[in-house]
This record gives sequence, C-alpha cells and structure tokens, in this order.
Amino acid sequence: GAVVSQHPSRVICKSGTSVKIECRSLDFQATTMFWYRQFPKQSLMLMATSNEGSKATYEQGVEKDKFLINHASLTLSTLTVTSAHPEDSSFYICSARDPRTLGGGELFFGEGSRLTVL
Amino acid sequence: GQQLNQSPQSMFIQEGEDVSMNCTSSSIFNTWLWYKQDPGEGPVLLIALYKAGELTSNGRLTAQFGITRKDSFLNISASIPSDVGIYFCAGRPYYGGSQGNLIFGKGTKLSVKP
Repeated sequence: GAVVSQHPSRVICKSGTSVKIECRSLDFQATTMFWYRQFPKQSLMLMATSNEGSKATYEQGVEKDKFLINHASLTLSTLTVTSAHPEDSSFYICSARDPRTLGGGELFFGEGSRLTVL
Repeated sequence: GQQLNQSPQSMFIQEGEDVSMNCTSSSIFNTWLWYKQDPGEGPVLLIALYKAGELTSNGRLTAQFGITRKDSFLNISASIPSDVGIYFCAGRPYYGGSQGNLIFGKGTKLSVKP
C-alpha cells in the first residue's frame, strides 16, 4: 500500500511551547490529508482536513488557532499545536488520500505522534 | 455526527480460532474499509470494499460489503497471536461521493485468552 510517514513519533514539551508534527506522503501526491486525534482506548477523531494550497477545514469543536495546519506541497502537511497544555497530550495521526486507488482515493495512515505536554 | 456501530467491542481469541466482527450503519455507504491498529502505531489498511455484495480476501482475512450497503463484516480464520490489536471499520457515506470523509467505528479489540 501507499506510504505515509509521520514525524516525530514521540515528543515531550513544556506547557506553553509549540510543537510541529509533519506528515509526508512518500510515494504519491496527496491533495488531501487528514489529521486525527486519538484518546486512549478510543476511536479516531477527525480534527481537520488539510487541502493543498488552501485553508484547512476544521471539524466542529476544534480550535483552528490552537491547531495550525499547513499543506504547502502535495507531499507534506504539518500540524502545529500552539501554546500546548497538558490537556493537548494525545496521539495524533495523519492520513493521506491516495488518488491511485479505487473509490476516489483510500486513506493511508502515518505511524502516529505521541505528544506529551508537561 | 453519523456513527458506525461496530461489534463486538472486544473479544478474546485462542490460537486457531476463527474470529468475526461487523459494522452497521443507518445509512448507505459506497465504500467500506477495514483497518488494524497495533499499540502506538497508526492504522494499517487491511481490506477495501467498493461494491455491494463484494467479498474480498487478504490472506486469512475475508471481508464483505453487505447487500444493503449498510453493513460489512470481517472474518479472520485460524487466528494467530499476532492478530491481536484493534480493528476498525470505516465507511464512506454515499451522500459524500468519492470525496466524502471516512466515518470510523469504535473498534474491536482482539486479545489473547489468558
């Protein structure tokens, strides 16, 4: 299947600092990428849809000034958690739509990034 | 928002047993996907289904797209210890067309019987 790489896999930061997570599609171009948040023992919660060259679309209840998304190229989307607080600690997962697959592009996920805010 | 009902929530398996899980929706879907997630990792796509009635296999895994377009099941035959993990179904609602976002089930956690 398609390869999506996420970095860093783990990050620990102090409260009040900002953290950037990168998501790359390694073997295809992705006009659309998605950012999810996953709490322990729960399913994936869609945070936002990242569109190359345009503003991200945020799901209801997700603060766009808190979670900045940039999709500057067809292979890279970034999520920046600004002024992080302990309640932002979570597992963040990105996915990218592979247009080469049937159904308009199936989702392939990155490895996930574990954020711990002290 | 719309949700998928995935069952069972958890199950214990003994090596060699067959396993079955399913997802249902109140509305029509045009795509069903099954993912497996290991601890601390992102979900990995196992099987993708695009047509009502479609039955697709991937090794010991078999999944079907329900005739009504409102359900799908995943079977694992002759389970082995590395099958443990969380399995998620995901569907793309018909109203969203091919660009519609995926909706995820809450997952089925497979564990080994003590």
